[in-house]
Amino acid sequence: DTGVSQDPRHKITKRGQNVTFRCDPISEHNRLYWYRQTLGQGPEFLTYFQNEAQLEKSRLLSDRFSAERPKGSFSTLEIQRTEQGDSAMYLCASSFSENYEQYFGPGTRLTVT
Amino acid sequence: DAKTTQPPSMDCAEGRAANLPCNHSTISGNEYVYWYRQIHSQGPQYIIHGLKNNETNEMASLIITEDRKSSTLILPHATLRDTAVYYCISNNFNKFYFGSGTKLNVKP
Repeated sequence: DTGVSQDPRHKITKRGQNVTFRCDPISEHNRLYWYRQTLGQGPEFLTYFQNEAQLEKSRLLSDRFSAERPKGSFSTLEIQRTEQGDSAMYLCASSFSENYEQYFGPGTRLTVT
Repeated sequence: DAKTTQPPSMDCAEGRAANLPCNHSTISGNEYVYWYRQIHSQGPQYIIHGLKNNETNEMASLIITEDRKSSTLILPHATLRDTAVYYCISNNFNKFYFGSGTKLNVKP
């Protein structure tokens, strides 16, 4: 499968714990995006990378959220000190370049208890 | 942020054309219009995009008005598998802003 993959697909954690999600983009894609989706809503843009450079992070929901793409390939999204309001689907997408379509992964569903 | 407006839901009979409208009156001249769909519990799937001209691919057609304030996605022969939430999105410097989309119900 050469599509975007995300790991894990499901994560249940207790409030206050840290969680990290991984995204592997399509191999030739330079751009990688993170979104959050809550029930009944469309995906909400969080941040994106051009290769290893994080070009936009003002939409990250708080300073508890951080993302990295150290070698310009896979990316991680970390949430520190999780809260129940962080429960959502976290989606990753990649694209070849600017103004090219984004291809989405299956998402990681986070449940904070 | 450019915003798009879509009806919350639409019905379509199987085999008929589904025409999904979208208003994007605040779109700027260099922003593309993208359409995605999302089937329950899956990631959004790319359908089509355009800037000024009408576009067609194997999935759908995209009709953009001359003033670019609105567009219509056309699924020429809807099937039950086309039941999904359809999102019309403007691409503001590569940041996609999804609204709540249109829930298309294709009925036999």
